[in-house]
Amino acid sequence: DQQVKQNSPSLSVQEGRISILNCDYTNSMFDYFLWYKKYPAEGPTFLISISSIKDKNEDGRFTVFLNKSAKHLSLHIVPSQPGDSAVYFCAASVGGLGGATNKLIFGTGTLLAVQP
Amino acid sequence: ETGVTQTPRHLVMGMTNKKSLKCEQHLGHNAMYWYKQSAKKPLELMFVYSLEERVENNSVPSRFSPECPNSSHLFLHLHTLQPEDSALYLCASSQMRLAGGYTGELFFGEGSRLTVL
Repeated sequence: DQQVKQNSPSLSVQEGRISILNCDYTNSMFDYFLWYKKYPAEGPTFLISISSIKDKNEDGRFTVFLNKSAKHLSLHIVPSQPGDSAVYFCAASVGGLGGATNKLIFGTGTLLAVQP
Repeated sequence: ETGVTQTPRHLVMGMTNKKSLKCEQHLGHNAMYWYKQSAKKPLELMFVYSLEERVENNSVPSRFSPECPNSSHLFLHLHTLQPEDSALYLCASSQMRLAGGYTGELFFGEGSRLTVL
């Protein structure tokens, strides 16, 4: 049973527009959420995170929103750029606010294609 | 040197072979991980080593055997694998904060693409 779900396997967006990637989770014990970005032939790289005590975290063009009641988080990229084209993984963990190991549960990923 | 390096990048092996995947981290981290990425599946956590001690083993078959000789090196020994074990194997490292609070950030290597014939 998947605890972290990314229901859209792919998303296509025009350059300059907003990209919205969605993620749902089932485990209410998750208290830390992260987004990773992966280019082909490379390992995933950390993008942005949010703890359960917040509902929004912003870093430049990237904003993550957390809706705990809906067990849903989203990543907004605005404006989208062709270099943002990659697979985006949502991840969650328990014990993020003091846990001993970074045991992350990942979603299946969403392939974002930003068209010039 | 990049942060986390994995060798080999590609490996093809028969079901009766014995091979090993190697991971090295140059970040001074104290925790290392093996993840498996199969097509259209989430990244699956296989093993976690914290301070060179295995702290997590996610019901991984015994044909996968990890080894962590020190905090900078992690191996995954492979023996009598099955074709369904073909996948991308990702190593990662992180800094564990025993005093509480962490960024949750894992640093991944580029992966070892394994094909079992």
